[in-house]
Parts: sequence; C-alpha cells; structure tokens
Amino acid sequence: SQQGEEDPQALSIQEGENATMNCSYKTSINNLQWYRQNSGRGLVHLILIRSNEREKHSGRLRVTLDTSKKSSSLLITASRAADTASYFCATGTRGSGAGSYQLTFGKGTKLSVIP
Amino acid sequence: NAGVMQNPRHLVRRRGQEARLRCSPMKGHSHVYWYRQLPEEGLKFMVYLQKENIIDESGMPKERFSAEFPKEGPSILRIQQVVRGDSAAYFCASSPSGGSTDTQYFGPGTRLTVL
Repeated sequence: SQQGEEDPQALSIQEGENATMNCSYKTSINNLQWYRQNSGRGLVHLILIRSNEREKHSGRLRVTLDTSKKSSSLLITASRAADTASYFCATGTRGSGAGSYQLTFGKGTKLSVIP
Repeated sequence: NAGVMQNPRHLVRRRGQEARLRCSPMKGHSHVYWYRQLPEEGLKFMVYLQKENIIDESGMPKERFSAEFPKEGPSILRIQQVVRGDSAAYFCASSPSGGSTDTQYFGPGTRLTVL
C-alpha cells in the first residue's frame, strides 16, 4: 500500500528562520494535503494542492508538488514558536468502495521552533 | 459553526471490555472517516461512511471493530473485547461531499488506553 514519508523526521530551528519539510509518496494521487498536529491534539488542515498544480501559497506557507518525482515540500517562512508541532503530508487516493476516497498519511516531521 | 466533535476525549478500558467512540461531523457534512494513530506514527485510514452506509471499510480490522453512521445521531466506532494493542488515538474527520478535492476536517480525537 502507498505511504507518504516525510523528511526530516525532526527539525529544530531558531525563531525567524525558515523551515522546509519534504514528503515523498509512491503511487498516483488526486491531491496532496499538509496538516499540522500540536502535541496531543487533533489535526489542523493547512493546505491542499491538486495533482495538476505545482505551487501554492497560504500566508507564510508555501507548498510545491512535483508529480514526476512524487514529492512535495512545505516551506514555513519566518517561523514562530507557535509553529512548533508535527507536520504531516497526506495523499488523496481512490479507496475500495464506489466513490470512496481516503487520505494516506506519513509519519510526520516534528518541528521545534526555539524562541 | 462548531467543528467536528468527538467524545469522550479520553477513554480507559480493561482488556475484554467494549469501547464506544462517538463522532459528530461538522454541520452540513454527511461524509465521515475514522483514522487510528499509534504513538509516533501517522494516521491510518480505517473506514469511510455516509449516512446509513459503509462505503469503504478496507482499513478496519476484520474482527472486533465495527462502525455505523445512523440517520440520526453521531457516527459510532465500536471496539469489542479490547486488547492492549487497541490503545491509540482515534480520529474522526468529516467532509461535505467526499470528493477527491474535499478537505477533511478532523476532530480532537479520542485517546483510548487499554489496561
């Protein structure tokens, strides 16, 4: 089965620096989404990029998608201590049931932003 | 507009007991997904439901686990005769139409501990 994998597993930076996280996947996708999870909490949707898009921006976030390399990156610019969290990429693929669609998550990147 | 609600937030069960996890989707959403997250892991898809129908249960263990989404009331994930390996965080997500470009909105999760 397909699995997204984030890289690096953990990242520690100083406040104000940029953070880049990468994600690779194995099969064809409809779209790729990035989520954030604060420790012990639920997931917050950050951004969705469709398979026919190459780059997308949302505030301090920039996501790129390279379907030929089956990879995506999430860039957080001018990081803040509040950005400390785990970041997951999730690929959207057809599921088993008719009209079914599911997300496949990687293991995540733990980002620590030091004040 | 309330988000996805899950209860209880924490649930402790002894081996052999039953666990019932509830999920109320966002208002206007009729598509519900359940995911399981083991410690230090990403989320794994379990089941996708629409009102009164199971669309895709390909990620659900064949025994002891069941899910429903009745016409009225929340979606229920039921685990019978729990074992220690069932200890995990269980997340519910909802979306408006279940399409491939839909964002899935996640609840805060239920953390199940089996003693």
